[in-house]
Amino acid sequence: AQKITQTQPGMFVQEKEAVTLDCTYDTSDPSYGLFWYKQPSSGEMIFLIYQGSYDQQNATEGRYSLNFQKARKSANLVISASQLGDSAMYFCAMRGTHFGNEKLTFGTGTRLTIIP
Amino acid sequence: GAGVSQTPSNKVTEKGKYVELRCDPISGHTALYWYRQSLGQGPEFLIYFQGTGAADDSGLPNDRFFAVRPEGSVSTLKIQRTERGDSAVYLCASSAEEGANGELFFGEGSRLTVL
Repeated sequence: AQKITQTQPGMFVQEKEAVTLDCTYDTSDPSYGLFWYKQPSSGEMIFLIYQGSYDQQNATEGRYSLNFQKARKSANLVISASQLGDSAMYFCAMRGTHFGNEKLTFGTGTRLTIIP
Repeated sequence: GAGVSQTPSNKVTEKGKYVELRCDPISGHTALYWYRQSLGQGPEFLIYFQGTGAADDSGLPNDRFFAVRPEGSVSTLKIQRTERGDSAVYLCASSAEEGANGELFFGEGSRLTVL
C-alpha cells in the first residue's frame, strides 16, 4: 500500500515570493515515482513535475522544483517567483511498481492563493 | 483526438437510475484509469486497466460500480441504482508507459449529480 500526506489545506502567499508545498509519502516499493499536479478552478489536472526514487538530482521544470529527501520520505514542491496564475489546488501523488501500487495515489491537496 | 476525452461533461440523474460515463484515451495508451473526485478532495482511485483487462479494481466502492474496456481503447464506467453519495467528478486518465515514471494524462472529467 502507498500513502501520500499533504498537511497544508490552504496557503496564502504574496505575489513574486517563493512558496513550498509539503508532501510526505509512505510505500513498501523500492522503486517509485513522485508527481505534482495542479488543478485550477476549471478542473483539469495539469502535470507539473516528476521525480523518480532513484534519480540522483532533484527535478526542476521552469519555476517548479521538487525538494526530494528520500530518507525523510518527503517530496516538497517549490514554486519560485509566484504569479497570480499559480492560484489553484496542488496535489502530490505517487506511483509504485509492485502489484497494487501501479495506480497513482493522491494526497488531499493544498489550495494555494497568490495575493497581489 | 489529441487528449483524453470524456463524455458527457455533465450528467444529472435521479436517485436509482443507471448511468454510463465514457472515456476515450489518448491513441496508443495501453493503461487507463478511473478516479472519482468529490468537492474539495483529492482524486480517489477506482479502477485501472492494462489493455482490455482490469489490472486493479480495488477502488470500486461496491458492486453498483462496474467498468469495461472491451477493445483496449474506449472505456465505460457504469453505475447502477445511483445514490446521492455518488455525486462527484469522475476523472479518466491514460498512460503510455508502465512502471513508476509513466505520466498520467487526465481528461476534463464527467460531473455526475444525483438528485
